[in-house]
Amino acid sequence: GENVEQHPSTLSVQEGDSAVIKCTYSDSASNYFPWYKQELGKGPQLIIDIRSNVGEKKDQRIAVTLNKTAKHFSLHITETQPEDSAVYFCAASTDFGNEKLTFGTGTRLTIIP
Amino acid sequence: GAVVSQHPSWVICKSGTSVKIECRSLDFQATTMFWYRQFPKQSLMLMATSNEGSKATYEQGVEKDKFLINHASLTLSTLTVTSAHPEDSSFYICSASPGQGKKQYFGPGTRLTVT
Repeated sequence: GENVEQHPSTLSVQEGDSAVIKCTYSDSASNYFPWYKQELGKGPQLIIDIRSNVGEKKDQRIAVTLNKTAKHFSLHITETQPEDSAVYFCAASTDFGNEKLTFGTGTRLTIIP
Repeated sequence: GAVVSQHPSWVICKSGTSVKIECRSLDFQATTMFWYRQFPKQSLMLMATSNEGSKATYEQGVEKDKFLINHASLTLSTLTVTSAHPEDSSFYICSASPGQGKKQYFGPGTRLTVT
């Protein structure tokens, strides 16, 4: 089955700096790679996703890049703000999300004011 | 759009009793619903996948007789934890998908504490 590894497990950055979180996956059949933000006691919130036919996607301060050959994808957050502090999870799935999601282990991001 | 709700948001029950958690898609029809479990400071682990009108498919290691899943309609799935024990205490999260090729939308989660 699919295995998703995520690094780093914790990340602290100064407010205004950029944060990068990286994930690798094992199943070449995976074609959908979402990123979720989870705040304490809440369900995961989709912040950005990318399909395998695209190499990069950007939404304001958030971007995701995908390297299918190397089987890794990354989340980039620019101009970080205190409200970006949360746990971030990457995930992988086939059928563009209608099949089971395999989650990474999570990254606790702390923005230092 | 694409809102998923869960009820209750938190529940405390005594060991040996059963508890039911509801997951509803409020503004779309969900052909597939997923149930995840998340222990403190850990990732989400898929428990089972359910399609409307069909029996749920459980992940390896998940006891289907303990975690009963019913997906009776296109907007409602329920997870019943039977004979709950303290080790079942966890954060249970559902997600729903409108169909093939569509992304999943997550509910807010249900915190279960078994005393």
